[in-house]
Amino acid sequence: DVKVTQSSRYLVKRTGEKVFLECVQDMDHENMFWYRQDPGLGLRLIYFSYDVKMKEKGDIPEGYSVSREKKERFSLILESASTNQTSMYLCASSFGLGGTQYFGPGTRLLVL
Amino acid sequence: TQLLEQSPQFLSIQEGENLTVYCNSSSVFSSLQWYRQEPGEGPVLLVTVVTGGEVKKLKRLTFQFGDARKDSSLHITAAQPGDTGLYLCADGTGGGADGLTFGKGTHLIIQP
Repeated sequence: DVKVTQSSRYLVKRTGEKVFLECVQDMDHENMFWYRQDPGLGLRLIYFSYDVKMKEKGDIPEGYSVSREKKERFSLILESASTNQTSMYLCASSFGLGGTQYFGPGTRLLVL
Repeated sequence: TQLLEQSPQFLSIQEGENLTVYCNSSSVFSSLQWYRQEPGEGPVLLVTVVTGGEVKKLKRLTFQFGDARKDSSLHITAAQPGDTGLYLCADGTGGGADGLTFGKGTHLIIQP
């Protein structure tokens, strides 16, 4: 079974802090994704990566950056957290870009 | 970017009732995936439909793909409280650029 793990289930940070969210997958997938999920807005793609050190902006990249130094690990970075970044963050991986996505359990981030 | 419309947005019914939720697009899907997301967890793939007119069954869940591949439905027979969750449809047609496009989902509550 594919397993996607995220570093934290719940996180509370203060405005202006730098925040790291980590995601690890164990199925050797090329593609990894970061989404945020908000009520009424659905899943919105922040960034994705199709290979090590490669990244592409999704629909809402502003205020975020990503890092993929190893194939199995994809990190989302909030350089200076703001209250409007309070959300549920979901990481996913897939073999093909249009293929099944396997999601982690999510990180619920609260920025005060 | 293809837009997916899911309806209804919310549905609350009694245990034992039947229900149908829908996923529609103005464009043709290359393939369509249905996911279920339980509270506090990430989405999990239920089924992928590829061929127009295709019907797939997963126990009490029946998935249909429209003949023109622009719509899909999920029918649940004799709903149970364990069916409670957010049902998302996703399209991989534009996958070359950014992976899957998700609908906003149907929030389903099955009351005992």
